[in-house]
Amino acid sequence: KQEVTQIPAALSVPEGENLVLNCSFTDSAIYNLQWFRQDPGKGLTSLLLIQSSQREQTSGRLNASLDKSSGRSTLYIAASQPGDSATYLCAVRDGNQFYFGTGTSLTVIP
Amino acid sequence: EAQVTQNPRYLITVTGKKLTVTCSQNMNHEYMSWYRQDPGLGLRQIYYSMNVEVTDKGDVPEGYKVSRKEKRNFPLILESPSPNQTSLYFCASTSGLAGSQETQYFGPGTRLLVL
Repeated sequence: KQEVTQIPAALSVPEGENLVLNCSFTDSAIYNLQWFRQDPGKGLTSLLLIQSSQREQTSGRLNASLDKSSGRSTLYIAASQPGDSATYLCAVRDGNQFYFGTGTSLTVIP
Repeated sequence: EAQVTQNPRYLITVTGKKLTVTCSQNMNHEYMSWYRQDPGLGLRQIYYSMNVEVTDKGDVPEGYKVSRKEKRNFPLILESPSPNQTSLYFCASTSGLAGSQETQYFGPGTRLLVL
């Protein structure tokens, strides 16, 4: 069974700063890893998907990397904006099941 | 518009009173799942379904039932709810399973309080 950990649990940064969110998982035999964003009182929105054979994916100001052998992924957010404030979750797919981390709550201060 | 809908959005009930939370998707996805989200524990998968009439247990299936009689619907059933099932529940459907465009679409959530 996968254990997915996200550090830090909360992060507060000034607007414009670049930042990195971390995700680690215990079993490297994953099919893919996905990063989600969750806004208060709402469901999750998919941000980036990295297949197990890939090293990174980019979408706009977001870049996600995957090191499957070490069980780590990072989400890099460039030039942060107040609208980026949300909780970010990573999830790994192991077989036909999905395992989520507990999330990092990000606050970007104007 | 592509979406996953859940009903009800909020529910207060009492211990032992059977309830059903409905989930419906309009994207013709084969894979659907239910999660519960609790503070400090994140999202945990309760049940998932690979297709019609095919369901499997996730990480925390105890106290829950599901059915998949039609592709678009995946109801979550609590036969005898208990206070430890108080939680925020999400339904999700997944497109492009096993492909490079695999994406989970989440419903808005159902907040359940069991007294």
